Amino acid sequence: KQEVTQIPAALSVPEGENLVLNCSFTDSAIYNLQWFRQDPGKGLTSLLLIQSSQREQTSGRLNASLDKSSGRSTLYIAASQPGDSATYLCAAFFGNEKLTFGTGTRLTIIP
Amino acid sequence: DAGVTQSPTHLIKTRGQQVTLRCSPKSGHDTVSWYQQALGQGPQFIFQYYEEEERQRGNFPDRFSGHQFPNYSSELNVNALLLGDSALYLCASSFVRGAYEQYFGPGTRLTVT
Repeated sequence: KQEVTQIPAALSVPEGENLVLNCSFTDSAIYNLQWFRQDPGKGLTSLLLIQSSQREQTSGRLNASLDKSSGRSTLYIAASQPGDSATYLCAAFFGNEKLTFGTGTRLTIIP
Repeated sequence: DAGVTQSPTHLIKTRGQQVTLRCSPKSGHDTVSWYQQALGQGPQFIFQYYEEEERQRGNFPDRFSGHQFPNYSSELNVNALLLGDSALYLCASSFVRGAYEQYFGPGTRLTVT
C-alpha cells in the first residue's frame, strides 16, 4: 500500500532558526513529490515540486530534497519567520492519477 | 491569471440532503481532481476528471458523483448526506501533459447537521 507519513505532527521553533520538516513514503517508484502550505481553514498553496529525476528544488528560503532510495523528502526552511506558521503537507504522486498526502506537520514560529 | 476557484465558500446542510460543489480550474489546465479533508487529516482523493470522463476514483461510495463540462469546470455532487461528510472539499487542477503539479482552490467547507 502506498503511504505517506509526516513526523512530527507539530513543531514549535523560535523565530530566526533554520528548521527541517520530514516526509517519508513507502514506494520508491515515485513520479514526483509536492510540498504544500495550508493556513487554518484555507486551501493548499503549492510550495515546491520535485520530480523523480531531481534531488532538490529551491524557492527563496525554502529547499526541498528527495531521496527515492530511502523513501524520504525534507523541506528546509531558513531563517524562520512568524509568517511561516502554518501546516505543511507533503504529497506523493505514484503515477495513479492522484496525490497521496501525509497528515501534515503543524509549524509554529515563536516571535 | 485566475487560479483555481471554488463555490460556495461555506455550506450548511441537513442529513439526507444533496449538495453540489463547483470548481473552475486554473487557466490552461484540463484535469480536475476532488479531495476531501477532514479536520486534522491530509486530503483524501475522491476522483479525477479529464475530457469529461472520470479517470480514477478513490475509496468513496457512489453517493459521491461528479461531472466535468466542456470548459473544464467541474461539479462534485454528494447525495444522502451523512454527518461524516462534514469536511473541507478541495478541488485541484493540472495539465495532463505537464509534470502533474496540482494547484488547489480555497476549498468549500461543508457542515452537515
